[in-house]
Amino acid sequence: QKEVEQNSGPLSVPEGAIASLNCTYSDRGSQSFFWYRQYSGKSPELIMSIYSNGDKEDGRFTAQLNKASQYVSLLIRDSQPSDSATYLCAVMSTGNQFYFGTGTSLTVIP
Amino acid sequence: NAGVMQNPRHLVRRRGQEARLRCSPMKGHSHVYWYRQLPEEGLKFMVYLQKENIIDESGMPKERFSAEFPKEGPSILRIQQVVRGDSAAYFCASSRSQGVGTEAFFGQGTRLTVV
Repeated sequence: QKEVEQNSGPLSVPEGAIASLNCTYSDRGSQSFFWYRQYSGKSPELIMSIYSNGDKEDGRFTAQLNKASQYVSLLIRDSQPSDSATYLCAVMSTGNQFYFGTGTSLTVIP
Repeated sequence: NAGVMQNPRHLVRRRGQEARLRCSPMKGHSHVYWYRQLPEEGLKFMVYLQKENIIDESGMPKERFSAEFPKEGPSILRIQQVVRGDSAAYFCASSRSQGVGTEAFFGQGTRLTVV
């Protein structure tokens, strides 16, 4: 299976801080990259997608992609307790399957 | 526009029984992906299907597991002769197409418990 690697954490940040989540992938031909949020006992929810090198911003979320380094990151600004969840990095492989990392657990401390 | 629908949400089976998990993709979506998630673990890819075709089943165990996505009706993940190790959450995702720009959306999952 294509590898998607994430630091499992847990990552703890104080409320209002920036949370930084990182991901690397092995399939150099991958073209589509995603971040999902999964609350405990719930299904994954798509929060960001990115296809080109550089930054993509959506509200408090910024996804960053560097295909040369095979690296994807997610920044969450002004972190809120409601952001506490597991964040899954996903990559669409050259075979059009979606592969997921094991997730990074984020806790935002009020 | 309904999202991805999975049923049942919870399924309890005794060892040796069969489990059938159903997934209806979002309207307009013809690609379906099945994943298994054990507690505190990530999503493990199992199988990728399009209507009437299995595209990639490299993540499926060789025995007891099968999947289909018929021309009419939902995608079915079938587990024969279940064992305790099959207890997990099974998620289905669907997408409209393939290639760059394709996004996949998940159903609520089926929690399978084997007793």
